[in-house]
Amino acid sequence: DTGVSQDPRHKITKRGQNVTFRCDPISEHNRLYWYRQTLGQGPEFLTYFQNEAQLEKSRLLSDRFSAERPKGSFSTLEIQRTEQGDSAMYLCASSFSTTGASAEAFFGQGTRLTVV
Amino acid sequence: AQKITQTQPGMFVQEKEAVTLDCTYDTSDPSYGLFWYKQPSSGEMIFLIYQGSYDQQNATEGRYSLNFQKARKSANLVISASQLGDSAMYFCAMREDSEAGSYQLTFGKGTKLSVIP
Repeated sequence: DTGVSQDPRHKITKRGQNVTFRCDPISEHNRLYWYRQTLGQGPEFLTYFQNEAQLEKSRLLSDRFSAERPKGSFSTLEIQRTEQGDSAMYLCASSFSTTGASAEAFFGQGTRLTVV
Repeated sequence: AQKITQTQPGMFVQEKEAVTLDCTYDTSDPSYGLFWYKQPSSGEMIFLIYQGSYDQQNATEGRYSLNFQKARKSANLVISASQLGDSAMYFCAMREDSEAGSYQLTFGKGTKLSVIP
């Protein structure tokens, strides 16, 4: 399978616990994005990596959220002290570009987080 | 103001018929890209079609075509010969290219398409 892979697909956690999600992008893609999608809404941008550098973060990304992309390959998104409002689908996407904007971004199947 | 507006929360279409899903956008950037994604109940966002702001012709990909009307800032998706497997959420998205940055996508709220046998 050469698509974007996310793990786990589903996560149920108690409020206050920490959770970590993983994304494996398409191997030659240098750009990686995290989006959050709540029920009835389209995905909203959270953060962006070009290779290993995190170059942009949305205001949606509170200080409880942290993302990494060591070595410019897979990425992790950690949420500390989860709140019920964090319940959402977390989508990862990757794309390739050498200069300027590329064409389409490819998405993974997402991680659905439920905070109880 | 909403950057991407999809005014149809839900649409029904008879199998084998064509359907148009509406999308309007708002940007002051001269360079931008418009995308349509399909999201089945499994959750994955599946890329369907792309239109660049400088493209002279409307994009087509198999049964999908994009009716791009730049002056009206509209980028409607046309699905021809609907199939039962087309039942899903459809999202219109825009990428603004003029700023040096992430080229992130801004999505609309989506349209739920139901294909009736």
